[in-house]
Amino acid sequence: AQSVTQPDIHITVSEGASLELRCNYSYGATPYLFWYVQSPGQGLQLLLKYFSGDTLVQGIKGFEAEFKRSQSSFNLRKPSVHWSDAAEYFCAVDTNAGKSTFGDGTTLTVKP
Amino acid sequence: ETGVTQTPRHLVMGMTNKKSLKCEQHLGHNAMYWYKQSAKKPLELMFVYSLEERVENNSVPSRFSPECPNSSHLFLHLHTLQPEDSALYLCASSRTRDRAETQYFGPGTRLLVL
Repeated sequence: AQSVTQPDIHITVSEGASLELRCNYSYGATPYLFWYVQSPGQGLQLLLKYFSGDTLVQGIKGFEAEFKRSQSSFNLRKPSVHWSDAAEYFCAVDTNAGKSTFGDGTTLTVKP
Repeated sequence: ETGVTQTPRHLVMGMTNKKSLKCEQHLGHNAMYWYKQSAKKPLELMFVYSLEERVENNSVPSRFSPECPNSSHLFLHLHTLQPEDSALYLCASSRTRDRAETQYFGPGTRLLVL
Protein backbone atom coordinates (compact mmCIF):
# COMPACT_ATOMS: atom_id res chain seq x y z
CA ALA A 1 0.00 0.00 0.00
CA GLN A 2 1.13 3.51 -0.68
CA SER A 3 2.12 5.91 2.07
CA VAL A 4 3.12 9.54 2.40
CA THR A 5 5.48 10.98 5.01
CA GLN A 6 5.87 14.61 5.84
CA PRO A 7 8.75 14.55 8.33
CA ASP A 8 8.26 18.09 9.64
CA ILE A 9 5.16 18.65 11.75
CA HIS A 10 5.87 22.34 12.22
CA ILE A 11 8.23 24.76 10.46
CA THR A 12 8.89 28.41 11.27
CA VAL A 13 10.55 30.75 8.79
CA SER A 14 11.06 34.49 8.65
CA GLU A 15 9.18 36.52 6.09
CA GLY A 16 11.28 36.81 2.97
CA ALA A 17 13.26 33.66 3.71
CA SER A 18 13.20 30.61 1.49
CA LEU A 19 11.07 27.59 2.30
CA GLU A 20 11.29 23.88 1.66
CA LEU A 21 8.69 21.40 2.87
CA ARG A 22 9.58 17.76 2.62
CA CYS A 23 7.45 14.92 1.31
CA ASN A 24 8.43 11.30 0.84
CA TYR A 25 6.19 8.65 -0.62
CA SER A 26 6.15 4.92 -0.89
CA TYR A 27 4.61 3.37 -4.00
CA GLY A 28 5.77 0.80 -6.52
CA ALA A 29 5.06 2.72 -9.69
CA THR A 30 5.11 6.39 -10.58
CA PRO A 31 2.36 8.04 -8.59
CA TYR A 32 0.41 11.17 -9.15
CA LEU A 33 1.69 13.68 -6.59
CA PHE A 34 -0.03 16.72 -5.17
CA TRP A 35 0.59 19.56 -2.75
CA TYR A 36 -2.36 21.28 -1.07
CA VAL A 37 -2.57 24.24 1.29
CA GLN A 38 -5.20 24.71 3.99
CA SER A 39 -5.72 28.04 5.72
CA PRO A 40 -7.51 28.10 9.08
CA GLY A 41 -11.23 27.46 8.71
CA GLN A 42 -10.91 26.64 5.04
CA GLY A 43 -10.85 23.62 2.81
CA LEU A 44 -7.82 22.46 0.86
CA GLN A 45 -6.55 24.30 -2.19
CA LEU A 46 -4.37 22.63 -4.80
CA LEU A 47 -0.95 24.28 -5.17
CA LEU A 48 0.51 22.00 -7.83
CA LYS A 49 0.55 18.45 -9.15
CA TYR A 50 2.91 16.10 -10.95
CA PHE A 51 1.96 13.28 -13.30
CA SER A 52 4.82 12.92 -15.74
CA GLY A 53 7.29 14.91 -17.81
CA ASP A 54 9.37 17.73 -16.40
CA THR A 55 10.20 16.86 -12.82
CA LEU A 56 10.15 20.50 -11.72
CA VAL A 57 6.56 21.65 -11.41
CA GLN A 58 5.40 25.21 -11.07
CA GLY A 59 2.30 25.98 -9.05
CA ILE A 60 0.24 28.87 -7.84
CA LYS A 61 1.33 31.53 -5.35
CA GLY A 62 4.99 31.20 -6.38
CA PHE A 63 5.41 27.61 -5.23
CA GLU A 64 7.28 24.88 -7.05
CA ALA A 65 8.05 21.24 -6.35
CA GLU A 66 10.58 18.78 -7.67
CA PHE A 67 9.93 15.08 -8.18
CA LYS A 68 12.97 12.95 -7.44
CA ARG A 69 12.32 9.33 -8.25
CA SER A 70 15.61 8.12 -6.77
CA GLN A 71 14.72 9.65 -3.42
CA SER A 72 10.96 9.03 -3.60
CA SER A 73 10.52 12.67 -2.76
CA PHE A 74 8.36 15.55 -3.89
CA ASN A 75 9.53 18.56 -1.88
CA LEU A 76 7.74 21.90 -2.04
CA ARG A 77 9.74 25.11 -2.30
CA LYS A 78 9.24 28.83 -2.36
CA PRO A 79 12.12 31.31 -2.71
CA SER A 80 10.63 34.06 -0.57
CA VAL A 81 7.87 33.44 1.94
CA HIS A 82 5.08 35.96 2.60
CA TRP A 83 3.14 36.26 5.85
CA SER A 84 0.03 35.09 3.99
CA ASP A 85 1.71 31.73 3.34
CA ALA A 86 1.20 30.73 6.97
CA ALA A 87 -1.05 27.68 6.76
CA GLU A 88 -0.99 23.89 6.82
CA TYR A 89 0.47 22.08 3.84
CA PHE A 90 -0.42 18.58 2.74
CA CYS A 91 1.34 16.26 0.33
CA ALA A 92 -0.80 13.56 -1.33
CA VAL A 93 -0.38 10.55 -3.57
CA ASP A 94 -2.85 9.03 -6.02
CA THR A 95 -2.24 5.59 -7.40
CA ASN A 96 -3.41 3.75 -10.48
CA ALA A 97 -6.31 2.38 -8.47
CA GLY A 98 -7.45 5.89 -7.70
CA LYS A 99 -6.65 5.64 -4.02
CA SER A 100 -5.76 8.94 -2.40
CA THR A 101 -3.33 9.02 0.51
CA PHE A 102 -2.48 12.21 2.34
CA GLY A 103 0.42 13.05 4.61
CA ASP A 104 -0.10 14.26 8.16
CA GLY A 105 0.59 17.84 7.11
CA THR A 106 3.18 20.49 7.95
CA THR A 107 2.15 23.67 9.74
CA LEU A 108 4.03 26.72 8.52
CA THR A 109 4.48 29.75 10.77
CA VAL A 110 5.91 32.93 9.27
CA LYS A 111 7.77 35.32 11.57
CA PRO A 112 7.66 39.04 10.76
CA GLU B 1 -14.40 31.14 -2.97
CA THR B 2 -13.91 27.82 -4.71
CA GLY B 3 -17.43 27.28 -6.02
CA VAL B 4 -18.08 24.54 -3.47
CA THR B 5 -20.28 25.41 -0.51
CA GLN B 6 -21.03 23.38 2.60
CA THR B 7 -23.72 23.76 5.21
CA PRO B 8 -23.80 23.94 8.09
CA ARG B 9 -20.31 25.20 8.86
CA HIS B 10 -20.53 23.98 12.45
CA LEU B 11 -22.67 21.25 13.97
CA VAL B 12 -23.00 19.87 17.47
CA MET B 13 -25.03 16.72 17.88
CA GLY B 14 -25.73 14.04 20.43
CA MET B 15 -25.06 10.39 19.78
CA THR B 16 -28.75 9.65 19.25
CA ASN B 17 -29.41 12.51 16.84
CA LYS B 18 -29.87 12.34 13.09
CA LYS B 19 -28.44 15.16 11.02
CA SER B 20 -27.32 15.77 7.45
CA LEU B 21 -24.43 17.65 5.93
CA LYS B 22 -24.97 19.35 2.61
CA CYS B 23 -22.54 20.13 -0.17
CA GLU B 24 -23.28 22.07 -3.33
CA GLN B 25 -20.98 22.79 -6.24
CA HIS B 26 -21.53 25.47 -8.85
CA LEU B 27 -18.77 24.36 -11.20
CA GLY B 28 -20.58 21.93 -13.47
CA HIS B 29 -18.45 19.05 -12.20
CA ASN B 30 -19.41 15.39 -12.48
CA ALA B 31 -17.50 13.94 -9.52
CA MET B 32 -17.98 14.71 -5.84
CA TYR B 33 -16.19 13.50 -2.73
CA TRP B 34 -16.53 13.35 1.05
CA TYR B 35 -13.39 13.50 3.19
CA LYS B 36 -12.91 13.28 6.94
CA GLN B 37 -10.19 15.37 8.59
CA SER B 38 -9.56 14.41 12.20
CA ALA B 39 -7.11 16.02 14.56
CA LYS B 40 -3.69 14.40 14.38
CA LYS B 41 -4.73 12.04 11.54
CA PRO B 42 -4.26 12.29 7.79
CA LEU B 43 -7.13 13.33 5.59
CA GLU B 44 -9.28 10.29 4.76
CA LEU B 45 -11.32 9.82 1.62
CA MET B 46 -14.76 8.48 2.60
CA PHE B 47 -16.93 8.38 -0.52
CA VAL B 48 -16.67 9.19 -4.20
CA TYR B 49 -19.55 9.83 -6.58
CA SER B 50 -19.21 10.03 -10.33
CA LEU B 51 -22.23 11.02 -12.41
CA GLU B 52 -24.38 10.53 -9.33
CA GLU B 53 -23.26 6.94 -8.81
CA ARG B 54 -21.19 5.91 -5.82
CA VAL B 55 -17.92 4.58 -7.15
CA GLU B 56 -15.93 4.33 -3.97
CA ASN B 57 -16.69 3.58 -0.33
CA ASN B 58 -13.58 3.34 1.75
CA SER B 59 -14.74 1.08 4.57
CA VAL B 60 -16.83 3.77 6.16
CA PRO B 61 -19.20 2.71 8.99
CA SER B 62 -22.86 2.50 8.07
CA ARG B 63 -23.73 5.31 10.46
CA PHE B 64 -22.52 7.55 7.63
CA SER B 65 -24.85 7.42 4.63
CA PRO B 66 -24.10 9.48 1.51
CA GLU B 67 -26.63 10.63 -1.04
CA CYS B 68 -26.09 12.28 -4.40
CA PRO B 69 -29.45 13.28 -5.89
CA ASN B 70 -27.85 15.15 -8.80
CA SER B 71 -24.43 16.18 -9.96
CA SER B 72 -24.54 19.48 -8.06
CA HIS B 73 -25.53 18.22 -4.64
CA LEU B 74 -24.05 15.77 -2.18
CA PHE B 75 -25.33 14.90 1.27
CA LEU B 76 -23.88 13.00 4.18
CA HIS B 77 -26.57 11.65 6.48
CA LEU B 78 -25.45 11.02 10.04
CA HIS B 79 -27.10 8.83 12.68
CA THR B 80 -26.03 7.34 15.99
CA LEU B 81 -22.55 8.79 15.71
CA GLN B 82 -19.77 8.30 18.22
CA PRO B 83 -17.58 10.96 19.86
CA GLU B 84 -14.63 9.78 17.75
CA ASP B 85 -16.57 10.87 14.66
CA SER B 86 -15.97 14.47 15.67
CA ALA B 87 -13.96 15.97 12.84
CA LEU B 88 -13.95 18.40 9.95
CA TYR B 89 -15.91 16.94 7.04
CA LEU B 90 -14.79 18.25 3.68
CA CYS B 91 -16.59 18.03 0.40
CA ALA B 92 -14.79 18.34 -2.93
CA SER B 93 -15.68 18.18 -6.60
CA SER B 94 -13.79 17.68 -9.84
CA ARG B 95 -14.66 17.79 -13.51
CA THR B 96 -14.41 14.01 -13.78
CA ARG B 97 -13.27 11.18 -11.53
CA ASP B 98 -9.95 11.00 -13.38
CA ARG B 99 -7.17 11.40 -10.85
CA ALA B 100 -5.51 13.99 -13.08
CA GLU B 101 -8.41 16.35 -12.46
CA THR B 102 -8.06 19.06 -9.86
CA GLN B 103 -10.35 18.71 -6.88
CA TYR B 104 -11.97 21.85 -5.49
CA PHE B 105 -12.74 21.77 -1.79
CA GLY B 106 -15.46 23.39 0.23
CA PRO B 107 -14.69 25.03 3.60
CA GLY B 108 -15.91 22.02 5.55
CA THR B 109 -18.38 21.30 8.32
CA ARG B 110 -16.88 21.16 11.80
CA LEU B 111 -18.77 18.38 13.60
CA LEU B 112 -18.74 17.77 17.34
CA VAL B 113 -20.43 14.65 18.68
CA LEU B 114 -21.25 14.74 22.37
